[in-house]
Amino acid sequence: DAKTTQPTSMDCAEGRAANLPCNHSTISGNEYVYWYRQIHSQGPQYIIHGLKNNETNEMASLIITEDRKSSTLILPHATLRDTAVYYCIVRESGYSTLTFGKGTMLLVSP
Amino acid sequence: EPEVTQTPSHQVTQMGQEVILRCVPISNHLYFYWYRQILGQKVEFLVSFYNNEISEKSEIFDDQFSVERPDGSNFTLKIRSTKLEDSAMYFCASSEFRGGETQYFGPGTRLLVL
Repeated sequence: DAKTTQPTSMDCAEGRAANLPCNHSTISGNEYVYWYRQIHSQGPQYIIHGLKNNETNEMASLIITEDRKSSTLILPHATLRDTAVYYCIVRESGYSTLTFGKGTMLLVSP
Repeated sequence: EPEVTQTPSHQVTQMGQEVILRCVPISNHLYFYWYRQILGQKVEFLVSFYNNEISEKSEIFDDQFSVERPDGSNFTLKIRSTKLEDSAMYFCASSEFRGGETQYFGPGTRLLVL
C-alpha cells in the first residue's frame, strides 16, 4: 500500500503557483520522496525527487520538511498543460518498485 | 531527449489468446519494468528485470506472464492466455541503475480482452 497521503483534488488558476502537499509520516531514513504525474491515459512522467534537502529542476521545486514527514511539490507558474494526477511516492533506495497511490488530481483553469 | 517507446499503442484480443507487448527502453538503461493500470484504478507494479533475470515481481505477475529481452533493444511482456481482467494499460519503464534511480515510463499499450 502507498505510504503517502495526498488530497484527492486541487484547483489552481493558470499562471499561479500550484502547491501540492504530501504526508509521509512513516518515512524512514533511507527512503526518497518521488513525484510523478500522469496526464490523462499517458505514462507516468517523472517530475522530481529528494531525500532531505529541497530540490529544484526545470519543472518544479520540492520542499521537504525538516522532520521529513511531509513535502510540497511546487509548480511555480501552472499552465493548462499541467492538469494531471500528481503522485507522491516514498521509495526505499535499493528497491525497484514504485508504489502508486491515488494521487492528487490538479485542475488548472484559465 | 531519449524516451521509452512501446508498441502497439492499442491491442484488442480474444480471451484465451496470447499477446506480446513490446518496449524499447532508453538505450543506456540497464533495468526494465512493467506496470499496469486497470481503467480508473492505480498504477500497479508487475515486474522488474535486470541482466536477463527477473529481479522482483508482484502477486499479479503469475505464471500467465513472462518477460524477455530477446535482443539488445527490445523488452517484451507476454501474456500466455489472456483473461477479461487483463484488460488494462500496460506501461514499460526503464532506469539506468536500480534503487534510487529514476524510472522513465513509456506511453503505454492499451490492451482490451474480449
